[in-house]
Amino acid sequence: QQPVQSPQAVILREGEDAVINCSSSKALYSVHWYRQKHGEAPVFLMILLKGGEQKGHEKISASFNEKKQQSSLYLTASQLSYSGTYFCGTELSSNYQLIWGAGTKLIIKP
Amino acid sequence: NAGVTQTPKFQVLKTGQSMTLQCAQDMNHEYMSWYRQDPGMGLRLIHYSVGAGITDQGEVPNGYNVSRSTTEDFPLRLLSAAPSQTSVYFCASSTRDGHYEQYFGPGTRLTVT
Repeated sequence: QQPVQSPQAVILREGEDAVINCSSSKALYSVHWYRQKHGEAPVFLMILLKGGEQKGHEKISASFNEKKQQSSLYLTASQLSYSGTYFCGTELSSNYQLIWGAGTKLIIKP
Repeated sequence: NAGVTQTPKFQVLKTGQSMTLQCAQDMNHEYMSWYRQDPGMGLRLIHYSVGAGITDQGEVPNGYNVSRSTTEDFPLRLLSAAPSQTSVYFCASSTRDGHYEQYFGPGTRLTVT
């Protein structure tokens, strides 16, 4: 039931773009994206709801393909501050229970 | 606002000992939850609460108890610590509007020997 994130890790140069994917085998109600820096707590980025509504970060965008049960997070013109591990959390129904992926580690080099 | 606070930050227990991890929030959020995060892994939901007096089990509830007597506090009790409970524990809170952004506490790093 755990969603699958890909890639597991990615290394970029500052200014490059990245796409992180999150796929589920179950029909999803919502997908949540968080970023966690080493030794810190996760920080909210984005929520995507079934039906297309989004709430989140100004400089980060995401999509939610309901037919494929897949979400993608788009990081454009990456900055050093984007480094960290990105997690998707999936909700199968509106029940406040998130099931999290194993994370995608993003390293941004100057 | 302090946001979500957790105590202690670090704790070492011996197998069989019990303890309570404290979590408090000052944002008047209805929803609170406890997660554990093992090295290199995502978060796993232990227990959650949608309001004072209401708690429910998450994905990995065994060995843990919770209670929610007030909106602000949501303590997590380890009944008889086991090495498998060595982990980082995060508490989080959010509103219940259905499109919720979770605010996480700084975490408690627990080691059971």
